[in-house]
Amino acid sequence: SQQGEEDPQALSIQEGENATMNCSYKTSINNLQWYRQNSGRGLVHLILIRSNEREKHSGRLRVTLDTSKKSSSLLITASRAADTASYFCATDVNTNAGKSTFGDGTTLTVKP
Amino acid sequence: EAQVTQNPRYLITVTGKKLTVTCSQNMNHEYMSWYRQDPGLGLRQIYYSMNVEVTDKGDVPEGYKVSRKEKRNFPLILESPSPNQTSLYFCASSSKGAWNSPLHFGNGTRLTVT
Repeated sequence: SQQGEEDPQALSIQEGENATMNCSYKTSINNLQWYRQNSGRGLVHLILIRSNEREKHSGRLRVTLDTSKKSSSLLITASRAADTASYFCATDVNTNAGKSTFGDGTTLTVKP
Repeated sequence: EAQVTQNPRYLITVTGKKLTVTCSQNMNHEYMSWYRQDPGLGLRQIYYSMNVEVTDKGDVPEGYKVSRKEKRNFPLILESPSPNQTSLYFCASSSKGAWNSPLHFGNGTRLTVT
């Protein structure tokens, strides 16, 4: 089963609004990463947050991590049409440095 | 330019005809991995390699082979492709492993097996 699961599956907002996506996972992790994918293209790394961190910022992105709830959220502020993409969380498997698990993704549509 | 290069970008083949999808990275990364992406199933890891001559199974290795003879190359081999291997495939690399540093992805190979 998938380690990371995103919620919601799809999100549609107006330009300028904020978008929040959530990710839940099942087992202990060392870190969690968020990626973005434009239609059919390769994934692009957005942000990495380690298990001992609670919040991280990068430009208009804010990621939080709650290890007690095994969940993370990605907030995109002041969204733009160019933010339209699918967003995935990815977690490592604590006991295996080589394995990684991606969720099914949240498809974000930002309407101009 | 730092990149992961996959070839071909699109491939249509018939059941049972052996094929290889190449992957090359120019960042001197130790770690490389293959994923397949299917609608509703997200990305699933096929095989990964922590370093030269070291490969390991991911979550869905059946029907696939890999090799890591050189640091920069990590080809994915389908000895006898079947229609259920129709998918979008991605190669990725990172400097320290799947979780210690960001993964850099190729642009994908869309495979259709008829």
